[in-house]
Amino acid sequence: KAGVTQTPRYLIKTRGQQVTLSCSPISGHRSVSWYQQTPGQGLQFLFEYFSETQRNKGNFPGRFSGRQFSNSRSEMNVSTLELGDSALYLCASSLAGLAQETQYFGPGTRLLVL
Amino acid sequence: SQELEQSPQSLIVQEGKNLTINCTSSKTLYGLYWYKQKYGEGLIFLMMLQKGGEEKSHEKITAKLDEKKQQSSLHITASQPSHAGIYLCGAPDRGSTLGRLYFGRGTQLTVWP
Repeated sequence: KAGVTQTPRYLIKTRGQQVTLSCSPISGHRSVSWYQQTPGQGLQFLFEYFSETQRNKGNFPGRFSGRQFSNSRSEMNVSTLELGDSALYLCASSLAGLAQETQYFGPGTRLLVL
Repeated sequence: SQELEQSPQSLIVQEGKNLTINCTSSKTLYGLYWYKQKYGEGLIFLMMLQKGGEEKSHEKITAKLDEKKQQSSLHITASQPSHAGIYLCGAPDRGSTLGRLYFGRGTQLTVWP
């Protein structure tokens, strides 16, 4: 079974631009969660989608948004990029997004904002 | 929210030595996940512990969950260079049925030959 895939793997943007990251979950998994990892804050939860609906959201500004498609693939978008948005963005998938389910992570997208 | 503190922050051991990494929670743990991360890459799932007193092993890695102490430990026996990386513990949101995970800051493990 193929694992979680994320595209692109690396991205360089300038302040003020917007960016879209993509995540394809493991086949059969319907929940996709997004996390941001930075040296200063560690791993932080952004949001979680299940059946095309956002069920849970972390403490991030509205510039961070996402969506999920009917095939469970998910995208996250960051508008008006700031230098502090430079980070590794990880997505994770699980069957139904329940607390007792294992979340499997993708390789991440490294975003550098100049 | 859930706060997890990992210790030590970094660890340098010689190949063949045993080591232990701890993860302590500020609140009661309702499950605990251990992941390994190579620098700049994704997280690799190691183990999930769901009940107090539970202990799981995979190859040379053993994890335990001490519910009373609100703590989990990860023990590596006879370490190898392939064990090097960042070890992260994660726990679901207390009282929630959803799988949002809170993570510790990680323990950086270096194994020298």
